[in-house]
Amino acid sequence: AQRVTQPEKLLSVFKGAPVELKCNYSYSGSPELFWYVQYSRQRLQLLLRHISRESIKGFTADLNKGETSFHLKKPFAQEEDSAMYYCALGGMRFGAGTRLTVKP
Amino acid sequence: DSGVTQTPKHLITATGQRVTLRCSPRSGDLSVYWYQQSLDQGLQFLIQYYNGEERAKGNILERFSAQQFPDLHSELNLSSLELGDSALYFCASSRTGESGNTIYFGEGSWLTVV
Repeated sequence: AQRVTQPEKLLSVFKGAPVELKCNYSYSGSPELFWYVQYSRQRLQLLLRHISRESIKGFTADLNKGETSFHLKKPFAQEEDSAMYYCALGGMRFGAGTRLTVKP
Repeated sequence: DSGVTQTPKHLITATGQRVTLRCSPRSGDLSVYWYQQSLDQGLQFLIQYYNGEERAKGNILERFSAQQFPDLHSELNLSSLELGDSALYFCASSRTGESGNTIYFGEGSWLTVV
């Protein structure tokens, strides 16, 4: 079965600290994984997709097929990173989301 | 601006009523998705259309239905509304609907059932 798990509903860090939002997936084929960000119940915006291997707003994510993970990382969190983050498998399987709060 | 347009932005209606939410995809996108985001359920995929045909179905209730028209815009119909249907409904679109496509979301339609 296809499934996306984001184990942390809430994550709080201080400004300047590293942050890692966890995402694990269950999929038998080659996964197409994405991270979306949602600010204050606005529209979801694409943050990263695994095939592009780029860094957006300082965030990176590496697909680890052995651990079936696609964790989102940023070395130095900023207050403006406070938002809801969703990991997605294709267009139909979204994790429950992690609300990141970056404290000053 | 993602290019995906949803109307109305806000809607308040009574239990038992029926509403229609509308979505215009990005220019050139053939696939449309509908999602429901409620406070306690997170983001739930409802249904996907590709070029007028239903492609995938998620957790969509029987009271809900959708369609995609020849001009590619889509409508989500919600009937016999219940208090629990109050949520933010997102429409999204992608180029071909394949799992590797980036999905672009609209601003959402806030539905409040009273």
